[in-house]
This record gives sequence, structure tokens and C-alpha cells, in this order.
Amino acid sequence: AQSVTQLGSHVSVSEGALVLLRCNYSSSVPPYLFWYVQYPNQGLQLLLKYTTGATLVKGINGFEAEFKKSETSFHLTKPSAHMSDAAEYFCAVSPYSGNTPLVFGKGTRLSVIA
Amino acid sequence: GAVVSQHPSRVICKSGTSVKIECRSLDFQATTMFWYRQFPKQSLMLMATSNEGSKATYEQGVEKDKFLINHASLTLSTLTVTSAHPEDSSFYICSARDRVGALSPLHFGNGTRLTVT
Repeated sequence: AQSVTQLGSHVSVSEGALVLLRCNYSSSVPPYLFWYVQYPNQGLQLLLKYTTGATLVKGINGFEAEFKKSETSFHLTKPSAHMSDAAEYFCAVSPYSGNTPLVFGKGTRLSVIA
Repeated sequence: GAVVSQHPSRVICKSGTSVKIECRSLDFQATTMFWYRQFPKQSLMLMATSNEGSKATYEQGVEKDKFLINHASLTLSTLTVTSAHPEDSSFYICSARDRVGALSPLHFGNGTRLTVT
């Protein structure tokens, strides 16, 4: 079975500061990993994904994440936070094959302070 | 890009009534759609997998007679909450892939906020 753990249900950063949202996964097979963002009362928007190849993945809105197999981690970062980044962020894992649903972490709410 | 449209975005109904939520893939065909439920300040929990032309697969603990899923075409899946009660109040989100296989990300609808009074 696969699972995702997001450390910290709430992260608060100052505008312009580094954003670091942590995600660790558990999977018996090589996983596909995703980060999604959710704004209030909306669905989820894909930020980035890791499937195979380069372990540093760049996404939209200046976010990036690095897949570290040895640490079973897929942390999300952004060098400089903007006010518009305030939202809920979800890390998710998918089995290696098949049209299967994603398993989500519990989410991390990011607040950006002016 | 692939778009999933969900309707309505918000609905308020009285206890005991039924509510239908529609999920459409606008520019692709989806043989499989996934229905999630999200409680306030919590993560998404998979309710069921909707398969075109066949019965849905429900997750453990989800009442299939209460949450009726119909996937009659390759672009439309519906979730009907029957005899709704206040505890059914939640945020329901559908999703689908535009290509078969886990390599492709899920595309999500904008969700439906259900409030049962």
C-alpha cells in the first residue's frame, strides 16, 4: 500500500522568503509523485509531477520539487513567496501503472505574511 | 489542456432530498473518473471509481446505495447523494485522466459544496 505524509499542517512564511513544504512517501514500487494546489472552494490544480528521469522537477508558478529516493521524499520549494501562493498544498502518490486514483497527503496550508 | 467541469459548484438542500452532481470531461474521453470527498481542512478521501458502462467501485465504508454513481458516457459521470442528511454536507470533487495510465496526472473539477439543512 502507498501512503503520503506531509509534515506540518500549516506553514507560515514572509513574502519573499523561501517556501519549503515537506512530503515523504511510502511505496513498495517506484512511485509517481505529484504536488497539487487548492484555493478556497476550488478543485485541485497540478503544480508538478515526477515520473521518471530528472529528479529535480520544475512546475508552474516558480515551484519545484526534488525526488530523493534514499530519503523517500519529494519536498516542494519556491525561492521567494508571493502573497498569491497562500493556499492548501497536497502531495500525492500514484502506483506505477494502471488508471488508478491518487493517494493524497493531509495537506499543508501555506500562509504568506506581508 | 484537459478540462473537467463539475456542476453545480454549490448546492443547499433539505434533509431527506436527493442531489445530483455532474462531472464532465470537456475535451477528452474518460473511461474512468474518480470521486473524492473533502471535509473542512482535511485531505481528499477517495469515495469511488466510476467506470464507463459498468458499475462503480466503492471504497470501504462508502455506502453505494446512498452515493449513486452513473457513468453513462465517456464524458459524463454523475454522483447522486440520496436522502441527504446534514452529515453528508461536504465538498465533493471529481477527477479524471486524459490518458490512460498512472503517468498522466489527474485533472480535477472545481468541486461541489453540498450543504444539507
